[in-house]
Amino acid sequence: QSVLTQPPSASETPGQRVTISCSGGSSNIGRNTANWYQQLPGTAPKLLIYSNTYRPSGVPDRFTGSKSGTSASLDISGLQSEDEADYYCAAWDDSLNGWVFGGGTKLTVL
Amino acid sequence: EVQVLDSGGDLVQPGGSLRLSCAASGFIFSSYAMSWVRQAPGKGLEWVSSISGTGGSTYYADSVRGRFTISRDNSKGTVSLQMNSLRGEDTAVYYCVKDRNYYGSGTANWFDPWGQGTQVTVSS
Repeated sequence: QSVLTQPPSASETPGQRVTISCSGGSSNIGRNTANWYQQLPGTAPKLLIYSNTYRPSGVPDRFTGSKSGTSASLDISGLQSEDEADYYCAAWDDSLNGWVFGGGTKLTVL
Repeated sequence: EVQVLDSGGDLVQPGGSLRLSCAASGFIFSSYAMSWVRQAPGKGLEWVSSISGTGGSTYYADSVRGRFTISRDNSKGTVSLQMNSLRGEDTAVYYCVKDRNYYGSGTANWFDPWGQGTQVTVSS
């Protein structure tokens, strides 16, 4: 299983809000920043949130990242059908001396 | 525009070798680390390897250490992944990614952009 723990799935109706959690430990999220990636069906992943809370240019402000202790969260408000995708958290792990990813959360917009 | 273009994926027999390549453009190549991330069919993302800007530091996932070798040619703006002793569990789409920092490790680092991916299939 993955070092970072995410719920395998999430769903909500259009216009609503959903939060995806990412639970890690003291050697990864507890010490380093968390990033989030969005993978639309059939495409390569794309950077969505970096350094816990920052959005790259072009990412709508409906996407918000946060971090507390050894966990990170991705909040998506005003859900749209085009937000249906897989979402992954990631962080550098000082103990493993490498990157660790969450198992991914498949978001369904009902 | 910053771009990375990965290539070299193929069908290879178990125990065989394959070399993936990635051509980067639109940035000062030697100032940034580069990495490879893979995704097995129907599975999540798995980090494979990273290399620092000058190539002096390399990092590997336990699952590939001793079998895979990452390298870069800063004069050509390319990064490669030499994969030996391939196994069925290495079957995946391999993505080349640009790191945010020079070192390839630690905090305040992330992957952007990602290549389109190249398919590696290990099967007899």
